Amino acid sequence: GENVEQHPSTLSVQEGDSAVIKCTYSDSASNYFPWYKQELGKRPQLIIDIRSNVGEKKDQRIAVTLNKTAKHFSLHITETQPEDSAVYFCAEIYNNNDMRFGAGTRLTVKP
Amino acid sequence: GAGVSQSPSNKVTEKGKDVELRCDPISGHTALYWYRQRLGQGLEFLIYFQGNSAPDKSGLPSDRFSAERTGESVSTLTIQRTQQEDSAVYLCASSSDSGSSNEQFFGPGTRLTVL
Repeated sequence: GENVEQHPSTLSVQEGDSAVIKCTYSDSASNYFPWYKQELGKRPQLIIDIRSNVGEKKDQRIAVTLNKTAKHFSLHITETQPEDSAVYFCAEIYNNNDMRFGAGTRLTVKP
Repeated sequence: GAGVSQSPSNKVTEKGKDVELRCDPISGHTALYWYRQRLGQGLEFLIYFQGNSAPDKSGLPSDRFSAERTGESVSTLTIQRTQQEDSAVYLCASSSDSGSSNEQFFGPGTRLTVL
């Protein structure tokens, strides 16, 4: 199946700074792009998602942007807090409902 | 409400034995996915069921892996002749495929250890 490239693999920021994670996909037919947060030892949970007919979506400190031309989508976390520390996975829906995940980004927010 | 459940939560087995993992999706969810997550790594797609359509088995790593789903209910993932490299957390997820939401809801996972 198609893969989603996710960068960086690890990210360390100071509390209060912003964090940006970027993903690149290859299937131009993909139309749904979720982001999942996985805390240590827990299951992944959806934190935000975006559809291909929208360029940006925001939910409090979290935003996702989508560039369909470049096939990029990014997660932006502002005013980071220690509880934001987790592994974040991007994903894409392609081929109707098949979902493929990126390799994950381990975010560490230092107090 | 009830979420996705999986059993067992932990399974320790000896190399060469068969194991069966169970997933109970959210009621009414037509789509069901199995993923494998090795320690410290990402989510590796294994298989996807959608209603009564033929499953997408493209992620199964070998013919030792198989999965079944009866209608839109329980699914079982079977690993035959387990190997040490099969050790991982196996996650199940379901989604409603309602058209308005593709969110996948994950179960707590089954941690498989092959000795």
